[in-house]
Amino acid sequence: RKEVEQDPGPFNVPEGATVAFNCTYSNSASQSFFWYRQDCRKEPKLLMSVYSSGNEDGRFTAQLNRASQYISLLIRDSKLSDSATYLCVVNDYGGSQGNLIFGKGTKLSVKP
Amino acid sequence: EAGVTQSPTHLIKTRGQQATLRCSPISGHTSVYWYQQALGLGLQFLLWYDEGEERNRGNFPPRFSGRQFPNYSSELNVNALELEDSALYLCARDPWTGGSGGTEAFFGQGTRLTVV
Repeated sequence: RKEVEQDPGPFNVPEGATVAFNCTYSNSASQSFFWYRQDCRKEPKLLMSVYSSGNEDGRFTAQLNRASQYISLLIRDSKLSDSATYLCVVNDYGGSQGNLIFGKGTKLSVKP
Repeated sequence: EAGVTQSPTHLIKTRGQQATLRCSPISGHTSVYWYQQALGLGLQFLLWYDEGEERNRGNFPPRFSGRQFPNYSSELNVNALELEDSALYLCARDPWTGGSGGTEAFFGQGTRLTVV
């Protein structure tokens, strides 16, 4: 069974902290990788795509290691508003193409 | 913003009843994806419709079914409701027209189904 696994947390960090989330995936044929953010009782929203070369968007940095089938998300200078659940997502390429596979999410709580 | 409208936002049904959930992507988008997010289980892929046809199906029993209409809106039907069907049901679209799936998706606000 193709899966995406994440540490469920919760990660409780103070404002200004740096926090890192990790994710592993089992389908080596996956070609698209994403981090989504989901606020409590809301729909998931795309945070950023993840590229092989790594990519950065402000305080957020995503990394992909295809050899280890590992994805990471680094958040620097955490804000209270970063509190949410972060979902690691890969496409189910080669098996049942047409859908995304979601991890169960890692919950982040940023405290004052 | 997401370009996906779902209705109703909340739905309460009794065990054994049928539920019908609706989704409309913005104009020009022909693909609709349905996901179930039950407590503690994460998002589970249910169904993918494109151009009026079912393209793929997740690991759900046949009592989960749906259809897509000529205007590309979609219905998800859940028959013989069970308590464990209580979940947030999310509908998503591709970011561009003619999408083939497997790329990022934009979600509607979801329908929260409660089975009592």
